[in-house]
Amino acid sequence: KAGVTQTPRYLIKTRGQQVTLSCSPISGHRSVSWYQQTPGQGLQFLFEYFSETQRNKGNFPGRFSGRQFSNSRSEMNVSTLELGDSALYLCASSWGQGSTEAFFGQGTRLTVV
Amino acid sequence: AQSVTQPDIHITVSEGASLELRCNYSYGATPYLFWYVQSPGQGLQLLLKYFSGDTLVQGIKGFEAEFKRSQSSFNLRKPSVHWSDAAEYFCAVVRLMNSGYSTLTFGKGTMLLVSP
Repeated sequence: KAGVTQTPRYLIKTRGQQVTLSCSPISGHRSVSWYQQTPGQGLQFLFEYFSETQRNKGNFPGRFSGRQFSNSRSEMNVSTLELGDSALYLCASSWGQGSTEAFFGQGTRLTVV
Repeated sequence: AQSVTQPDIHITVSEGASLELRCNYSYGATPYLFWYVQSPGQGLQLLLKYFSGDTLVQGIKGFEAEFKRSQSSFNLRKPSVHWSDAAEYFCAVVRLMNSGYSTLTFGKGTMLLVSP
């Protein structure tokens, strides 16, 4: 069974641009969560989607948004990129009945220059 | 609010020696607790989890953890460390959000270095 797939693995963007990251969950999983990981702040929760609806949202500005499609695949978008958005973005999928066991992808390393 | 503290940022252990990584949680009821491991440039892999029942839980790769309610701790242990265990380890707790749904809250992580 395939794991969580995140694309692309690496990305370099310029300040002010926007970026879209993709996450394909494990087959049958309906919940997708996104996390930002930086050396200074550690792992911070961005948002969670379940059945195409945002169920939870972390404390991030409105520049960070996401969506989930009917096949449970999810995208997150960051607009007007800032240098501080450079991070590893991790996606996790679960069955959806609470985040009792989450499976993580390898992440997308975003570098903003 | 539910939170997790990992007091040690870095730990160095000799190969073959025993390991204990500390995790303290803040939660009113019985928490759902996890340990994840992250190798450089990789995602997180679940080592073990505690929901209820036996307070000593076994995980993959020879790891175990003990839930101690009196100490609000969930420390990770391994009797004999291998060089391949060098990685960053994260303790996590399920946290209830204002939405009424839950998500994972992570500690800051402990970087494990293994010396020859």
